[in-house]
Amino acid sequence: GIQVEQSPPDLILQEGANSTLRCNFSDSVNNLQWFHQNPWGQLINLFYIPSGTKQNGRLSATTVATERYSLLYISSSQTTDSGVYFCAVDDGGSNYKLTFGKGTLLTVNP
Amino acid sequence: DGGITQSPKYLFRKEGQNVTLSCEQNLNHDAMYWYRQDPGQGLRLIYYSQIVNDFQKGDIAEGYSVSREKKESFPLTVTSAQKNPTAFYLCASSIGVWEQFFGPGTRLTVL
Repeated sequence: GIQVEQSPPDLILQEGANSTLRCNFSDSVNNLQWFHQNPWGQLINLFYIPSGTKQNGRLSATTVATERYSLLYISSSQTTDSGVYFCAVDDGGSNYKLTFGKGTLLTVNP
Repeated sequence: DGGITQSPKYLFRKEGQNVTLSCEQNLNHDAMYWYRQDPGQGLRLIYYSQIVNDFQKGDIAEGYSVSREKKESFPLTVTSAQKNPTAFYLCASSIGVWEQFFGPGTRLTVL
């Protein structure tokens, strides 16, 4: 099956700093999503981005499908950005299911 | 409000018992999914359903069962055959291969 690798596994920032999270995947995909898991476990949809670039406030994402990677940018980080960020992809077929990476644990200190 | 609801939020099970986790959506999505998350790990797919009265096994289906009798509902039963059921269970739904949306989850603990 498709492999998903996220880096770095852990990241510690001071409030106000910028960061880049990376997601590599091993095959072509129809669906790529970025999620933020909050302290209560809820998965919050950040981006649906199988290709191209999107921005939403301080967050932006870029997926280069031909090179099989996606980047999530967080600018001017805030303590509320803390949590785990997951990348998930489908397998490019018709069965809809997502394969998740192991996540990046982000800690933003005041 | 449109969304996905899961109940209960917390569930405690004695060894040897079957328990059923509820997942309901009012988004009119065709597809529904169940994932399991263990501490410090990503999500793994248990079962998914692309249409009513049809479902497929995911990567870790052993010890679990599902039904899809209504478009809005996709309950998951954790059977006594599941050897290590303590985990966080998340339900999701989507329109086809497009963006998946998740419910708030159920934390299951085996006593």
